Amino acid sequence: ETGVTQSPTHLIKTRGQQVTLRCSSQSGHNTVSWYQQALGQGPQFIFQYYREEENGRGNFPPRFSGLQFPNYSSELNVNALELDDSALYLCASNPLGGGTTSYNEQFFGPGTRLTVL
Amino acid sequence: QQQVKQSPQSLIVQKGGIPIINCAYENTAFDYFPWYQQFPGKGPALLIAIRPDVSEKKEGRFTISFNKSAKQFSLHIMDSQPGDSATYFCAASTYYGGATNKLIFGTGTLLAVQP
Repeated sequence: ETGVTQSPTHLIKTRGQQVTLRCSSQSGHNTVSWYQQALGQGPQFIFQYYREEENGRGNFPPRFSGLQFPNYSSELNVNALELDDSALYLCASNPLGGGTTSYNEQFFGPGTRLTVL
Repeated sequence: QQQVKQSPQSLIVQKGGIPIINCAYENTAFDYFPWYQQFPGKGPALLIAIRPDVSEKKEGRFTISFNKSAKQFSLHIMDSQPGDSATYFCAASTYYGGATNKLIFGTGTLLAVQP
């Protein structure tokens, strides 16, 4: 069973640029959530994708957008990067709607460290 | 109402000690309470989780105690080892059919276990 993978590992961008981060969900998981973790803070929910549609969104502006593909992998896109966007971006997957007690268990990838200069 | 408050911010124990990390929540709709362990430069790893219908759950050296009436839950690490040194996050979520099960995280506790 393959765990959650993310790419790239590290990324450096300048203010105003656009970035795309990628995530492959754990085998058998149909739901992907994205979180932003600033240094020294807990992860903050950005949004969740289920069956290729956004299924809930946190308090993030529209310049944060995403996609989910038929194989359940996902992308996070951030436009017009700001210095405060510098953070570890985490992807998590879980088998939402599976009708079992495991539906809430979200498994995280290693993250992408984004630095905005 | 969506917050999860975690304490202490940092904790130092000797090897073999039992660190205890506490969390409190307000939203009574939360029905799932996991604990995650995170090492520097890594993603959070799920340690153990509990539902509101039980007061305690043990997995190996990790125990969650849950007090529904007080809206509090805590993590105990038995016989702590230097390898347990990491940041620990509590979290909470709610799930209704079709709704998101987003995790609300606490602010984290940096644990150091001294040899």
